[in-house]
Amino acid sequence: GAGVSQSPSNKVTEKGKDVELRCDPISGHTALYWYRQSLGQGLEFLIYFQGNSAPDKSGLPSDRFSAERTGGSVSTLTIQRTQQEDSAVYLCASSLGGTGGEQYFGPGTRLTVT
Amino acid sequence: SQKIEQNSEALNIQEGKTATLTCNYTNYSPAYLQWYRQDPGRGPVFLLLIRENEKEKRKERLKVTFDTTLKQSLFHITASQPADSATYLCAPTNFGNEKLTFGTGTRLTIIP
Repeated sequence: GAGVSQSPSNKVTEKGKDVELRCDPISGHTALYWYRQSLGQGLEFLIYFQGNSAPDKSGLPSDRFSAERTGGSVSTLTIQRTQQEDSAVYLCASSLGGTGGEQYFGPGTRLTVT
Repeated sequence: SQKIEQNSEALNIQEGKTATLTCNYTNYSPAYLQWYRQDPGRGPVFLLLIRENEKEKRKERLKVTFDTTLKQSLFHITASQPADSATYLCAPTNFGNEKLTFGTGTRLTIIP
């Protein structure tokens, strides 16, 4: 079946521009997560959506980052006024929800801020 | 603060031998611990989950142990193959916490 998909796969943007990254989770998965992976760094949690509950935004690094999930499915991560330190691979994952659930990751979006 | 350490950034193992990867954590009381595999340019792929009341879990050539006293998990790949070459990530998780915090990973290379 279809896995988690993300678009675009690569994005190059100029410093100061806004970008939107999209995630399509696996159908039926109620939980959706965004992570960031910088070169040489581990995976860093950004935000988590579970059903209709308020999202856990505790990992967002600044107020330039925001995310929404429409209709309990597709999610968009928006970075405003991009900075060079935002360059990283942004990974989306989904799961059935509930404690201990394995997460299914998408291929990621590689963001380069010039 | 919470910390996850995985042994050596890179590990080279001869084909056919057992590869053993270590995950040590501090300031966690994980209810469970997950192991993922990540290939270059791809997202992590789930391998195994072990719960705090389980000492050992197996799946084909993979074996995971979990010692909550030592605050350590060991990940073994027996009869290793070049196709096992990848980065392996561990993620200890406290009960009720959905978000995963990963170690920086161990890059495993199986040498033919």
